[in-house]
Formats: sequence, C-alpha cells, structure tokens
Amino acid sequence: NAGVTQTPKFRILKIGQSMTLQCTQDMNHNYMYWYRQDPGMGLKLIYYSVGAGITDKGEVPNGYNVSRSTTEDFPLRLELAAPSQTSVYFCASSQTVNTEAFFGQGTRLTVV
Amino acid sequence: AQSVAQPEDQVNVAEGNPLTVKCTYSVSGNPYLFWYVQYPNRGLQFLLKYITGDNLVKGSYGFEAEFNKSQTSFHLKKPSALVSDSALYFCAVRDYGNTGFQKLVFGTGTRLLVSP
Repeated sequence: NAGVTQTPKFRILKIGQSMTLQCTQDMNHNYMYWYRQDPGMGLKLIYYSVGAGITDKGEVPNGYNVSRSTTEDFPLRLELAAPSQTSVYFCASSQTVNTEAFFGQGTRLTVV
Repeated sequence: AQSVAQPEDQVNVAEGNPLTVKCTYSVSGNPYLFWYVQYPNRGLQFLLKYITGDNLVKGSYGFEAEFNKSQTSFHLKKPSALVSDSALYFCAVRDYGNTGFQKLVFGTGTRLLVSP
C-alpha cells in the first residue's frame, strides 16, 4: 500500500523561485493536511482540506497556496521562496479529523 | 482555539524503567486528543487517541495514555522502556478553523531518549 506519497524528497531553491510540493494519497481520505516542521518548533499547520474543492488556512499560511481538485491530490505551492521557508514539509491524510492520520515521508526544502 | 502543550523538550530514561511523556491541553468542550511518534527521517506515526470512554487508552507498541480531566492532562506512558522507543513524540488535539472546519493541531514535541 502506497499510503501518502510526497515528492520530491529533497529540494534546494533559490530566493524568489517557485515550486510545487506534490502530495497524493490512495486511501480515499477526505482530510488532507500540510505541516512544516522546524527544529524545536514542532509541527505547524500550513493549510488543510476537508474534501475536494474545500480548503482552509492553518497557523502559518503566508507564502503558500493550495488546491484540492481531486480527493487524491493536495499540492502545496510556494511562490517567491524565502529563506524562512527552509523547513521539512509533511503531508498527511485522514478519513475524518478524529481518525488516524497517515503521514508522508516528508520533503526537505532549503531556500538559499 | 484548542491547543496542547508539551512542557518537556526531552525526557531521559533508562531501559526497563517506566516512562512518562507529558501533555496538557486547553480545550473548550470535550477534547479529542492524540499521540504520534516520529522516528528519525520519517513521517509521524499514530500511537493512540482519546475520544470518549475509559480514561486509560491503550495504543501501539505497548504505549498507553491517561486522560485526566481535572488536571487537563493526557500523559503518555509505558511500563518498561526500550532503547528502540527513542524518538520524538507529539501530542495533538482536534481544533476548529476560522471557517468552522475541524483540523488537527500538534504540540511542540518531546524527545525521548532511552539509554541502555
């Protein structure tokens, strides 16, 4: 079972560049999340989605955008990358907010 | 907003000893609480959850958590620690977004180090 798949695993961006972090799940889950993990800061919620076509901001949405056109995919777009966006990004999915969330392996992003 | 706090950045315990990783919550209404574990260079894995019912919740890998309403705590416990339990542990809570949708919010994490 694939579960939650994130690509790429690693990426180096220059300041001002843009990129899309891909996330796909094969469990037909309604909920999908994007978190960033910074050392000593735990996980911060960037955006989340409760179903196709429905997204909402989390704690740290500035500098990011998302879309959810299908149940399976929840890409995260970074526009005009900044050094402050250097982090490890995790995508997760769950059937409901009260059920187990499954996480991808993460994307380590460095902005230089 | 609902939130959880993990007061310890790191917990050290010797193998074979009992371990406790602390979590306190701030919730209006009934709390929905979770524990996750993260091994190095991996995503998080679900351990257990409290929705309602018994205050002692049993989860994966021999872990359990005790829900205490009067102390607003949800501490993670294990009777006998293993070196392989060394990892980063996160407490999480269900919260509500500005639009009313529910979401999962995590604490800052506690690093557990089990020494041989």
